[in-house]
Amino acid sequence: NAGVMQNPRHLVRRRGQEARLRCSPMKGHSHVYWYRQLPEEGLKFMVYLQKENIIDESGMPKERFSAEFPKEGPSILRIQQVVRGDSAAYFCASSPGLADDIQYFGAGTRLSVL
Amino acid sequence: QKEVEQNSGPLSVPEGAIASLNCTYSDRGSQSFFWYRQYSGKSPELIMFIYSNGDKEDGRFTAQLNKASQYVSLLIRDSQPSDSATYLCAVCPSGNTPLVFGKGTRLSVIA
Repeated sequence: NAGVMQNPRHLVRRRGQEARLRCSPMKGHSHVYWYRQLPEEGLKFMVYLQKENIIDESGMPKERFSAEFPKEGPSILRIQQVVRGDSAAYFCASSPGLADDIQYFGAGTRLSVL
Repeated sequence: QKEVEQNSGPLSVPEGAIASLNCTYSDRGSQSFFWYRQYSGKSPELIMFIYSNGDKEDGRFTAQLNKASQYVSLLIRDSQPSDSATYLCAVCPSGNTPLVFGKGTRLSVIA
């Protein structure tokens, strides 16, 4: 039973480029959450999605960041025109939903912006 | 503003001792409480969850919840060097909502 799969594990981008981070939830999970962890900081919520719907994006910057979870395929967090301050670990978590709200985390994508 | 507070540590305990990690939260209506362990450079790993007041035990770990005091703790018995990690307290305000994390407590178990 595969866990939450994230790729790539490491991503290097130059300032101004685009970063695309992918997350496939655990089998049977329909809820996906994205969190960001800056160096020496705790995890901060960014966006919560279900299939084809953004449920809560209150933690995501209004500009340059977007997220989707299409009917088919992984959830994608997209960062346009990256800046050095975007360098962080980005974690995806999934949960089954309904009465089970336990979130399981993927290995994360470590984004470095040069 | 929902907040979760943890002592950043480091908390140092000798091997075999009990490690006690504490967490307070601001949202009185919070429903679910989680402890994650995070090794340096790795992702958070769920080790305990608790929903009701009182104690919940799983192996060497015991989670304690006191909703009246808005306090949740994690006890690790017979601490091992492999328990050295950052422990993250997370609170879920209501079912299927984003987790609010504390900044974590660094635990160091000295052999």
